[in-house]
Amino acid sequence: AQSVTQLGSHVSVSEGALVLLRCNYSSSVPPYLFWYVQYPNQGLQLLLKYTSAATLVKGINGFEAEFKKSETSFHLTKPSAHMSDAAEYFCAVSQETSGSRLTFGEGTQLTVNP
Amino acid sequence: DTGVSQNPRHKITKRGQNVTFRCDPISEHNRLYWYRQTLGQGPEFLTYFQNEAQLEKSRLLSDRFSAERPKGSFSTLEIQRTEQGDSAMYLCASSPGTAITDTQYFGPGTRLTVL
Repeated sequence: AQSVTQLGSHVSVSEGALVLLRCNYSSSVPPYLFWYVQYPNQGLQLLLKYTSAATLVKGINGFEAEFKKSETSFHLTKPSAHMSDAAEYFCAVSQETSGSRLTFGEGTQLTVNP
Repeated sequence: DTGVSQNPRHKITKRGQNVTFRCDPISEHNRLYWYRQTLGQGPEFLTYFQNEAQLEKSRLLSDRFSAERPKGSFSTLEIQRTEQGDSAMYLCASSPGTAITDTQYFGPGTRLTVL
């Protein structure tokens, strides 16, 4: 079975501050991990994904995430928050034994304050 | 590519009625997925197709739910005898190939409200 836990349903940062959104996974086999962003009234958009190559993954809009097997984590970071980063962020996992299904966390709503 | 499209965007129905949603994937994408998202939760997997074959169904997909993808192009999701618990956002996604690591591209969703 696979699962994802996102710590913090709401995160608030100031513009220009570091963004850190936490994701921990549970998987019985090596996982593939994804971060998606959802803006109001829009579909989920992929930010980045880990597919067992480099453990530090760079994505769009200046986001990156690091796969840490020992910590079963895949936290999302951005050095400097922008107002346009305000959205809901979802971490998701898939694995070979679960087919193509993505299992999502409950999401983290990011607020960026001016 | 114009992206994944879903129709209608909103649907309000009375309990007990049947509803059908449509998803048009990105052209030539082999796989098509349906997810359900309730307020404050992440999307939950319902089912997926590879071309016209339905390969996997979640336990969430009760007998009142049926999905089709005739000719491997668009897909429909039908809910019969709707219940208030069916109120949710229904998301469709498509991916180009068959690898688990292929990116799933999501549509904007159909919001269902059952009164």
